Amino acid sequence: AQTVTQSQPEMSVQEAETVTLSCTYDTSENNYYLFWYKQPPSRQMILVIRQEAYKQQNATENRFSVNFQKAAKSFSLKISDSQLGDTAMYFCAFMNLNAGNMLTFGGGTRLMVKP
Amino acid sequence: NAGVTQTPKFQVLKTGQSMTLQCAQDMNHNSMYWYRQDPGMGLRLIYYSASEGTTDKGEVPNGYNVSRLNKREFSLRLESAAPSQTSVYFCASRAGLAGGYEQFFGPGTRLTVL
Repeated sequence: AQTVTQSQPEMSVQEAETVTLSCTYDTSENNYYLFWYKQPPSRQMILVIRQEAYKQQNATENRFSVNFQKAAKSFSLKISDSQLGDTAMYFCAFMNLNAGNMLTFGGGTRLMVKP
Repeated sequence: NAGVTQTPKFQVLKTGQSMTLQCAQDMNHNSMYWYRQDPGMGLRLIYYSASEGTTDKGEVPNGYNVSRLNKREFSLRLESAAPSQTSVYFCASRAGLAGGYEQFFGPGTRLTVL
Protein backbone atom coordinates (compact mmCIF):
# COMPACT_ATOMS: atom_id res chain seq x y z
CA ALA A 1 0.00 0.00 0.00
CA GLN A 2 1.10 3.51 -0.73
CA THR A 3 1.28 6.35 1.77
CA VAL A 4 1.55 10.05 1.03
CA THR A 5 2.76 12.51 3.66
CA GLN A 6 2.47 16.29 3.64
CA SER A 7 4.38 17.55 6.65
CA GLN A 8 3.21 21.18 6.54
CA PRO A 9 -0.41 21.50 7.72
CA GLU A 10 -0.43 25.26 7.10
CA MET A 11 1.72 27.76 5.27
CA SER A 12 1.50 31.42 4.38
CA VAL A 13 3.24 33.55 1.78
CA GLN A 14 3.16 37.19 0.76
CA GLU A 15 1.61 38.03 -2.56
CA ALA A 16 4.16 37.92 -5.43
CA GLU A 17 6.60 35.77 -3.44
CA THR A 18 7.53 32.12 -3.92
CA VAL A 19 6.47 29.21 -1.72
CA THR A 20 7.29 25.51 -1.74
CA LEU A 21 4.96 22.80 -0.45
CA SER A 22 6.47 19.46 0.55
CA CYS A 23 5.28 15.94 -0.18
CA THR A 24 6.88 12.55 0.38
CA TYR A 25 5.50 9.16 -0.55
CA ASP A 26 6.26 5.55 0.12
CA THR A 27 5.87 2.88 -2.53
CA SER A 28 7.57 -0.18 -3.94
CA GLU A 29 6.02 0.45 -7.36
CA ASN A 30 7.84 1.79 -10.40
CA ASN A 31 4.89 2.62 -12.65
CA TYR A 32 3.09 5.61 -11.16
CA TYR A 33 2.06 9.22 -11.56
CA LEU A 34 2.11 12.00 -9.01
CA PHE A 35 -0.32 14.90 -8.85
CA TRP A 36 -0.93 18.14 -7.02
CA TYR A 37 -4.58 19.13 -6.60
CA LYS A 38 -5.89 22.46 -5.35
CA GLN A 39 -9.09 22.74 -3.32
CA PRO A 40 -10.31 26.34 -2.84
CA PRO A 41 -13.09 27.20 -0.39
CA SER A 42 -15.62 26.20 -3.03
CA ARG A 43 -14.49 22.56 -2.37
CA GLN A 44 -13.93 21.89 -6.06
CA MET A 45 -10.85 19.71 -6.68
CA ILE A 46 -8.70 21.22 -9.42
CA LEU A 47 -5.65 19.60 -10.97
CA VAL A 48 -2.58 21.83 -10.69
CA ILE A 49 0.17 19.67 -12.14
CA ARG A 50 1.11 16.06 -12.83
CA GLN A 51 4.42 14.15 -13.05
CA GLU A 52 5.02 10.81 -14.69
CA ALA A 53 7.46 8.75 -12.64
CA TYR A 54 9.36 7.59 -15.72
CA LYS A 55 10.18 11.17 -16.72
CA GLN A 56 13.29 12.71 -15.23
CA GLN A 57 12.37 16.22 -16.26
CA ASN A 58 10.37 18.15 -13.69
CA ALA A 59 6.88 19.20 -14.77
CA THR A 60 6.03 22.90 -15.14
CA GLU A 61 2.68 24.62 -15.62
CA ASN A 62 2.97 28.40 -15.80
CA ARG A 63 3.73 29.59 -12.22
CA PHE A 64 3.66 26.04 -10.84
CA SER A 65 6.58 23.64 -10.96
CA VAL A 66 7.63 20.51 -9.15
CA ASN A 67 10.86 19.12 -7.80
CA PHE A 68 10.57 15.38 -8.33
CA GLN A 69 13.24 13.34 -6.55
CA LYS A 70 12.41 9.72 -7.37
CA ALA A 71 15.13 8.08 -5.29
CA ALA A 72 14.20 10.18 -2.27
CA LYS A 73 10.46 9.70 -2.99
CA SER A 74 9.92 13.41 -2.74
CA PHE A 75 7.56 15.56 -4.82
CA SER A 76 7.44 19.23 -3.82
CA LEU A 77 5.35 21.97 -5.44
CA LYS A 78 6.77 25.44 -6.05
CA ILE A 79 4.40 28.33 -6.62
CA SER A 80 6.07 31.43 -8.04
CA ASP A 81 4.64 34.95 -8.03
CA SER A 82 1.93 33.88 -5.56
CA GLN A 83 -1.50 35.36 -6.14
CA LEU A 84 -4.44 35.84 -3.78
CA GLY A 85 -6.36 33.28 -5.82
CA ASP A 86 -3.78 30.64 -4.88
CA THR A 87 -5.22 30.57 -1.35
CA ALA A 88 -6.51 27.01 -0.97
CA MET A 89 -5.84 23.55 0.37
CA TYR A 90 -3.24 21.70 -1.68
CA PHE A 91 -3.19 17.92 -1.86
CA CYS A 92 -0.40 15.72 -3.11
CA ALA A 93 -1.64 12.46 -4.63
CA PHE A 94 -0.12 9.19 -5.85
CA MET A 95 -1.56 7.02 -8.61
CA ASN A 96 -0.43 3.41 -8.96
CA LEU A 97 -0.88 2.45 -12.60
CA ASN A 98 -0.75 -1.23 -11.65
CA ALA A 99 -3.69 -1.07 -9.23
CA GLY A 100 -6.85 0.45 -10.69
CA ASN A 101 -5.33 3.90 -11.15
CA MET A 102 -6.85 5.03 -7.89
CA LEU A 103 -5.48 8.08 -6.11
CA THR A 104 -3.93 8.03 -2.64
CA PHE A 105 -3.98 11.51 -1.11
CA GLY A 106 -1.85 13.21 1.48
CA GLY A 107 -3.44 15.08 4.36
CA GLY A 108 -3.14 18.45 2.66
CA THR A 109 -1.44 21.81 3.22
CA ARG A 110 -3.52 24.89 3.79
CA LEU A 111 -1.90 27.81 1.94
CA MET A 112 -2.77 31.40 2.71
CA VAL A 113 -1.54 34.12 0.35
CA LYS A 114 -1.40 37.46 2.13
CA PRO A 115 -1.75 40.83 0.39
CA ASN B 1 -19.90 19.69 -21.29
CA ALA B 2 -21.02 19.51 -17.66
CA GLY B 3 -18.09 17.29 -16.64
CA VAL B 4 -18.93 15.36 -13.46
CA THR B 5 -22.22 16.13 -11.75
CA GLN B 6 -23.42 14.98 -8.34
CA THR B 7 -26.78 15.09 -6.62
CA PRO B 8 -27.74 16.13 -4.05
CA LYS B 9 -25.37 18.91 -2.94
CA PHE B 10 -26.42 18.69 0.71
CA GLN B 11 -28.25 16.04 2.72
CA VAL B 12 -29.14 15.52 6.37
CA LEU B 13 -30.05 12.01 7.50
CA LYS B 14 -31.01 10.41 10.77
CA THR B 15 -29.11 7.39 12.01
CA GLY B 16 -30.41 4.27 10.29
CA GLN B 17 -31.87 6.00 7.24
CA SER B 18 -30.74 5.07 3.76
CA MET B 19 -29.94 7.17 0.73
CA THR B 20 -28.27 7.05 -2.66
CA LEU B 21 -25.79 9.61 -3.97
CA GLN B 22 -25.92 10.02 -7.71
CA CYS B 23 -23.00 10.75 -10.02
CA ALA B 24 -22.84 11.18 -13.78
CA GLN B 25 -20.08 12.11 -16.23
CA ASP B 26 -20.29 13.17 -19.86
CA MET B 27 -16.64 12.74 -20.83
CA ASN B 28 -16.95 9.11 -21.98
CA HIS B 29 -14.50 7.94 -19.29
CA ASN B 30 -14.29 4.27 -18.46
CA SER B 31 -13.25 4.61 -14.81
CA MET B 32 -15.19 6.24 -12.02
CA TYR B 33 -14.51 6.66 -8.29
CA TRP B 34 -16.16 7.57 -5.00
CA TYR B 35 -14.15 9.32 -2.28
CA ARG B 36 -14.97 10.74 1.13
CA GLN B 37 -13.29 13.73 2.73
CA ASP B 38 -13.44 14.19 6.48
CA PRO B 39 -12.68 17.58 8.03
CA GLY B 40 -9.03 18.59 7.71
CA MET B 41 -8.10 15.45 5.81
CA GLY B 42 -7.36 14.29 2.31
CA LEU B 43 -9.75 12.25 0.23
CA ARG B 44 -10.04 8.49 0.82
CA LEU B 45 -11.30 6.03 -1.76
CA ILE B 46 -14.52 4.19 -0.97
CA TYR B 47 -15.20 2.25 -4.18
CA TYR B 48 -14.21 2.45 -7.79
CA SER B 49 -15.32 1.10 -11.13
CA ALA B 50 -12.60 0.46 -13.68
CA SER B 51 -15.14 -0.07 -16.44
CA GLU B 52 -18.85 -0.55 -16.99
CA GLY B 53 -20.00 -3.67 -15.18
CA THR B 54 -17.14 -3.85 -12.67
CA THR B 55 -16.73 -2.43 -9.17
CA ASP B 56 -14.02 -2.84 -6.54
CA LYS B 57 -13.48 -1.85 -2.94
CA GLY B 58 -11.20 0.98 -2.01
CA GLU B 59 -9.66 1.94 1.32
CA VAL B 60 -12.89 2.54 3.31
CA PRO B 61 -15.78 0.49 1.80
CA ASN B 62 -17.59 -0.60 4.97
CA GLY B 63 -21.17 0.67 5.17
CA TYR B 64 -21.41 1.49 1.47
CA ASN B 65 -22.54 -0.14 -1.75
CA VAL B 66 -22.14 1.05 -5.32
CA SER B 67 -23.76 0.49 -8.69
CA ARG B 68 -22.26 1.23 -12.08
CA LEU B 69 -25.56 1.74 -13.85
CA ASN B 70 -24.02 2.40 -17.27
CA LYS B 71 -20.90 4.07 -18.60
CA ARG B 72 -22.09 7.52 -17.50
CA GLU B 73 -23.49 6.84 -14.04
CA PHE B 74 -22.01 5.54 -10.79
CA SER B 75 -24.10 5.67 -7.62
CA LEU B 76 -23.16 5.27 -3.96
CA ARG B 77 -25.66 3.88 -1.46
CA LEU B 78 -25.71 4.10 2.31
CA GLU B 79 -28.03 1.34 3.53
CA SER B 80 -28.12 2.33 7.20
CA ALA B 81 -26.45 5.67 7.82
CA ALA B 82 -24.24 6.18 10.88
CA PRO B 83 -22.83 9.41 12.37
CA SER B 84 -19.33 8.20 11.35
CA GLN B 85 -20.45 8.61 7.73
CA THR B 86 -20.83 12.36 8.14
CA SER B 87 -18.46 13.64 5.47
CA VAL B 88 -18.16 15.30 2.08
CA TYR B 89 -18.46 12.80 -0.75
CA PHE B 90 -16.76 13.30 -4.11
CA CYS B 91 -17.30 11.40 -7.31
CA ALA B 92 -14.60 11.40 -9.98
CA SER B 93 -14.01 10.03 -13.43
CA ARG B 94 -10.64 9.37 -14.98
CA ALA B 95 -9.18 10.13 -18.36
CA GLY B 96 -7.04 7.56 -20.11
CA LEU B 97 -3.38 7.70 -21.11
CA ALA B 98 -4.00 10.43 -23.68
CA GLY B 99 -5.48 12.59 -20.93
CA GLY B 100 -2.62 11.97 -18.55
CA TYR B 101 -4.81 9.86 -16.28
CA GLU B 102 -6.29 13.02 -14.78
CA GLN B 103 -9.21 12.48 -12.43
CA PHE B 104 -12.03 14.98 -12.82
CA PHE B 105 -14.05 15.62 -9.69
CA GLY B 106 -17.66 16.56 -9.09
CA PRO B 107 -18.60 19.42 -6.75
CA GLY B 108 -19.17 17.13 -3.76
CA THR B 109 -22.11 16.22 -1.53
CA ARG B 110 -22.05 17.34 2.08
CA LEU B 111 -23.76 14.64 4.16
CA THR B 112 -24.61 15.00 7.82
CA VAL B 113 -25.88 12.02 9.81
CA LEU B 114 -27.54 12.91 13.12
